Amino acid sequence: DIQMTQSPSTLSASVGDRVTITCRASQSISGWLAWYQQKPGKAPKVLIYDASSLESGVPSRFSGSGSGTEFTLTISSLQPDDFATYYCLQYNSYWTFGQGTKVEIK
Amino acid sequence: QVQLQESGPGQVKPSETLSLTCTVSGGSVSSFYWSWFRQPPGKGLEWIGHIHHSGNTDSNPSLKSRVTTSVDTSQNQFSLKVTSVTAADTAVYYCARHRTTVGSGHDWFDPWGQGTLVTVSS
Repeated sequence: DIQMTQSPSTLSASVGDRVTITCRASQSISGWLAWYQQKPGKAPKVLIYDASSLESGVPSRFSGSGSGTEFTLTISSLQPDDFATYYCLQYNSYWTFGQGTKVEIK
Repeated sequence: QVQLQESGPGQVKPSETLSLTCTVSGGSVSSFYWSWFRQPPGKGLEWIGHIHHSGNTDSNPSLKSRVTTSVDTSQNQFSLKVTSVTAADTAVYYCARHRTTVGSGHDWFDPWGQGTLVTVSS
């Protein structure tokens, strides 16, 4: 099984802050990683796929990078709509999500 | 655009079988792979299993012995059954479509249904 470890679990930030979330895989997953945003009571929404490809319609303040075992999601300037929980998903072998990072208002 | 909607009982008794259906609109279930997920209250996401209209299926090794997926192309639906449920199976269950970069053979998921809460309780 490939395990995905996200950090931090919770992140307190203010509007306008630059925010970085990290996801580490227990073995190399090449670039087969996606990032999802989930708001309470809603389904996950894809933001980034193939580690760094921005999903159509997603604001350009979201970006992804990394390969192998370490990946990051960056929000360049946090907006009010961005307070949510973020999950990484590896799809190199079966599918495994990280445990999530909750972005809270500071 | 493709939309998915989960349906099924909101409560199941322990030791019984959980059954859910996902109805696809705006597209055909005869294209793509389709998956099921679950999310226990306040917790993270878990992939349960997938199905293709050809009958090809696979499921999470941690659940494999209890999970069955099927597809009904005439109704444009696919379904999930989980047998011998316990309180640990209480979760919001989601269905989703597979997506892939052409030629990669590696799929992520989009779009998703809105989810349906299933509570295991007597």
